[in-house]
Amino acid sequence: SQKIEQNSEALNIQEGKTATLTCNYTNYSPAYLQWYRQDPGRGPVFLLLIRENEKEKRKERLKVTFDTTLKQSLFHITASQPADSATYLCAPGSARQLTFGSGTQLTVLP
Amino acid sequence: EAGVAQSPRYKIIEKRQSVAFWCNPISGHATLYWYQQILGQGPKLLIQFQNNGVVDDSQLPKDRFSAERLKGVDSTLKIQPAKLEDSAVYLCASSMGGVGGEKLFFGSGTQLSVL
Repeated sequence: SQKIEQNSEALNIQEGKTATLTCNYTNYSPAYLQWYRQDPGRGPVFLLLIRENEKEKRKERLKVTFDTTLKQSLFHITASQPADSATYLCAPGSARQLTFGSGTQLTVLP
Repeated sequence: EAGVAQSPRYKIIEKRQSVAFWCNPISGHATLYWYQQILGQGPKLLIQFQNNGVVDDSQLPKDRFSAERLKGVDSTLKIQPAKLEDSAVYLCASSMGGVGGEKLFFGSGTQLSVL
């Protein structure tokens, strides 16, 4: 069955550093992968989408890579800020089906 | 533009009782989703509507859960009877057309506690 694994533990980093979050998937060949941010008590908010034929996508301080050979996506936040503290969810998808990972809780320390 | 609206925000019930959640998607969005998010886990799709037709309900526990989307706009999700393991946040989301790769817009969810 499909399996999605994100950083198994919470990630704490110092303000100004680059945060790197990992999303690995198995038994799955997604056509695209989305990343969402979720704050406590709120629904997820869409951040970025990357398709299988794209290696890298950028948006402001965010960068996503997609390696279909390794079955892995990396999500980077450069020059991190305390306001970036949240849970980040990866969601590989194909056709109309989107499956969410359990998320990585990121804390940026001032 | 207005976001996805959900109500109630919180609900506490006893096991074996019934409960209903309501969702109003973003205007013009053809696709509506109901997700269940258990604490510490990612959202799990329960049911997906395209207009007022069901696209995917493979993970909906149909013996106790039901959902409808009348007139292709608002939707309700019902649980009857509730079990302790139904305690979770129920998220409604919508997207424009349901084409693969579209971004989803989520509501803030209904937090359900079953005692």
